[in-house]
Amino acid sequence: GAVVSQHPSWVICKSGTSVKIECRSLDFQATTMFWYRQFPKQSLMLMATSNEGSKATYEQGVEKDKFLINHASLTLSTLTVTSAHPEDSSFYICSARAPRFGAGGSYEQYFGPGTRLTVT
Amino acid sequence: EDKVVQSPLSLVVHEGDTVTLNCSYEVTNFRSLLWYKQEKKAPTFLFMLTSSGIEKKSGRLSSILDKKELFSILNITATQTGDSAIYLCATGIGSSNTGKLIFGQGTTLQVKP
Repeated sequence: GAVVSQHPSWVICKSGTSVKIECRSLDFQATTMFWYRQFPKQSLMLMATSNEGSKATYEQGVEKDKFLINHASLTLSTLTVTSAHPEDSSFYICSARAPRFGAGGSYEQYFGPGTRLTVT
Repeated sequence: EDKVVQSPLSLVVHEGDTVTLNCSYEVTNFRSLLWYKQEKKAPTFLFMLTSSGIEKKSGRLSSILDKKELFSILNITATQTGDSAIYLCATGIGSSNTGKLIFGQGTTLQVKP
């Protein structure tokens, strides 16, 4: 159980266009999802926390008008990179928070497979 | 500023060797420490530690947390080539409702045959 999917798995777009990335929890409901970006040979940097039915909470230094997050249902969050530039090229990973199975009361983040974005 | 630091950043060993990966942290509102393995795509969960001194074990992997000295180690015994990956340490911070994780830089482990 606890599978998270992302779509697309990779995308190439031209500078100035917008790209939407979807994150779905397939077999559970997630009121909270997280979006990370990862540059080559670097760790995951949290971009924002996405809560179903409310506005996302962005980390310091992340432009909320550039990285639009929508969490319209308990199984879907989307990240839209607006007016993409080459420096936005990165690996974007989402995670969904759910109770740890069999470990009553604690939560775990289940990660999606990631989306490789290349902006030319 | 919340910080998680891993060492070494990279490591090359031969099959059968034992490795120890280190993770130290300085965060406010610490809740838990987690270890993940990342092979090309998304991280996969290894361990979550919340209590000091209690070793968690899964096969050849084990981990322990020291909340007084603010660090954790991940041990891998009898390494295999399939253990080659990036190992990420993260701390869970904030209230139980936030679930926020702060990641370290990762340790890239290469196991040679």
